[in-house]
This record gives sequence, C-alpha cells and structure tokens, in this order.
Amino acid sequence: QKEVEQDPGPLSVPEGAIVSLNCTYSNSAFQYFMWYRQYSRKGPELLMYTYSSGNKEDGRFTAQVDKSSKYISLFIRDSQPSDSATYLCAVGNFGNEKLTFGTGTRLTIIP
Amino acid sequence: DGGITQSPKYLFRKEGQNVTLSCEQNLNHDAMYWYRQDPGQGLRLIYYSQIVNDFQKGDIAEGYSVSREKKESFPLTVTSAQKNPTAFYLCASSIDRLANEQFFGPGTRLTVL
Repeated sequence: QKEVEQDPGPLSVPEGAIVSLNCTYSNSAFQYFMWYRQYSRKGPELLMYTYSSGNKEDGRFTAQVDKSSKYISLFIRDSQPSDSATYLCAVGNFGNEKLTFGTGTRLTIIP
Repeated sequence: DGGITQSPKYLFRKEGQNVTLSCEQNLNHDAMYWYRQDPGQGLRLIYYSQIVNDFQKGDIAEGYSVSREKKESFPLTVTSAQKNPTAFYLCASSIDRLANEQFFGPGTRLTVL
C-alpha cells in the first residue's frame, strides 16, 4: 500500500464549478499536509500548507484535513481555466525533512 | 528576484554518458533536494543536503551523485549506471532541515537517446 494515495484523474469540470481534490494517507504519524499546483512542464508551486485538522482558507482555495480518517482535501471555488493543472498532495513529519507526495490529479477547467 | 534556477531546461544524452544538472538558489536556504518525476508516479527523492559539504541518499539514489560545495548550488550528476534516466528532474530548497515548506525550481527534462 502506498503511503499516500491520490486519484490521478483526469478530472474535467466547467468553469465556475467547485472542485474537490482528495488524498488519503496510511501513516497516522504524518503531521503536516501540503498542496502543490504544477502546470505542464513546470516545477510544483506550493499552494497550501496546514498541520491541524479542520479547514484553512486562502482566497478561492480551502485545504481540509481529517486526521481521524487520514483524509485531506483541496477545494477550489469559482474555478477558472487558469486553474487547469496537476495538483499534488504532500505529507510529512516535523523534524523530518522528507516529504511524501501523491501521484497528482490532473484537472482541466472547461471554459 | 529570489528563486531557484535549474539548467538546462532540456537535456539529451546518449547512453553511457554522464550528465550534470545544475541547481542554484539565491534564497539563502540551507536545505536542498533533488527529485525525479515520472508519469503516473509521485515525486521521488534522489538526494538531499541539509548543509554545505554534507548530503544524504534519498529513496532512489542509485546511479546518481551530488555535491554541495556552496550553499547556493547543488548539482546532480546522472551517471551511466542509472538504468532508466529519462525523466523530469526537480530541485527544491527549504529554509533549513526543520522547515516543512519546500520550494521548487522549474525542472530539467532529461532524455536518453
């Protein structure tokens, strides 16, 4: 079993829709959670970082963590064509420099 | 502008040749990382370095080598011993080994002919 599971998609939604992207992880020791956005042939860009259960909001993006279920989500409101990218989740432990990444979900927003 | 630069953007190599990928950062970050990205797989850690003149193997270090002679630079050499070198290579850095947020460069796409 992989430490982090992420549906690779592809996921296509119409412009303006709410997008839900999800990851599950197997090790309850993971303490912090990140979402990266990666455009085609570019490096990943850090979008959200959180270490507690609950929601963290930044503009149109909301990161949600449920440690009891070992489930993390990224919601995108009012989705735009510019949101079309691959979204990677990543998890880690404090004091350990290694991150464990999901495989990424490819998202397309249809104008 | 502060950031991480990688060069070249595209690199072609013949089988049996060693190649070196460049990674430079001007963020004054202590820690630097090299990842490999293949289609359908997550980022896999090759090597990482927490301070100058020190580095550790990641999960897939075989066939790769690194050096960290300067804080700003962390070059990766893909040797002929790496059996499947065609991939997208990403360099990242973080403030220090305890910092969780890693920031990535634009990547180098290596193709073996």
